[in-house]
Amino acid sequence: GAGVSQSPSNKVTEKGKDVELRCDPISGHTALYWYRQRLGQGLEFLIYFQGNSAPDKSGLPSDRFSAERTGESVSTLTIQRTQQEDSAVYLCASSSQGTTGNTIYFGEGSWLTVV
Amino acid sequence: AQTVTQSQPEMSVQEAETVTLSCTYDTSESDYYLFWYKQPPSRQMILVIRQEAYKQQNATENRFSVNFQKAAKSFSLKISDSQLGDAAMYFCAYREYGNKLVFGAGTILRVKS
Repeated sequence: GAGVSQSPSNKVTEKGKDVELRCDPISGHTALYWYRQRLGQGLEFLIYFQGNSAPDKSGLPSDRFSAERTGESVSTLTIQRTQQEDSAVYLCASSSQGTTGNTIYFGEGSWLTVV
Repeated sequence: AQTVTQSQPEMSVQEAETVTLSCTYDTSESDYYLFWYKQPPSRQMILVIRQEAYKQQNATENRFSVNFQKAAKSFSLKISDSQLGDAAMYFCAYREYGNKLVFGAGTILRVKS
């Protein structure tokens, strides 16, 4: 596609429910990232996928958070048993491989509100 | 671990004037990339400018330029002829080749008319 696409753009969920957030990266991009941004704060790294390599999960805050990616396409971030502290914008980004491809492009984010 | 520090939580500039946003980073690597991203209220992250560490020449994109001081690990952003549309949160970011972006905490830029 023309850009990184995320869905849903907004999600309100009840505490304790599971949510899935979807990201469609730019076609041909081998690297995919998830970040979390709480209101008024900076971007917090969650997870990074690069081609067929094992993902870098070092930023996932707890075992309630997981992410999958099918090949070099769609990724899903799942949050189980949501808590109010999970309320944030979840940003997905992608980039291509190679020295000229190190610019990372972001989607518009999924705003999650846990009530 | 690499860290990125933006020491100015908030800055203000008069329209048409020049403002400089500061950024420092910590790394033991010699080859890496640095970026400035802009995030307006729409929350879309927009790439403003990028710099490859192996290039000595400072990057420039229209009214935006950087002052890259590799030895000092400093990467400041200068915005010339500031416009109302420049008002946003600005993030400095560091990336080693192939690896994740590490962001600073951000600087809110306000533009006064």
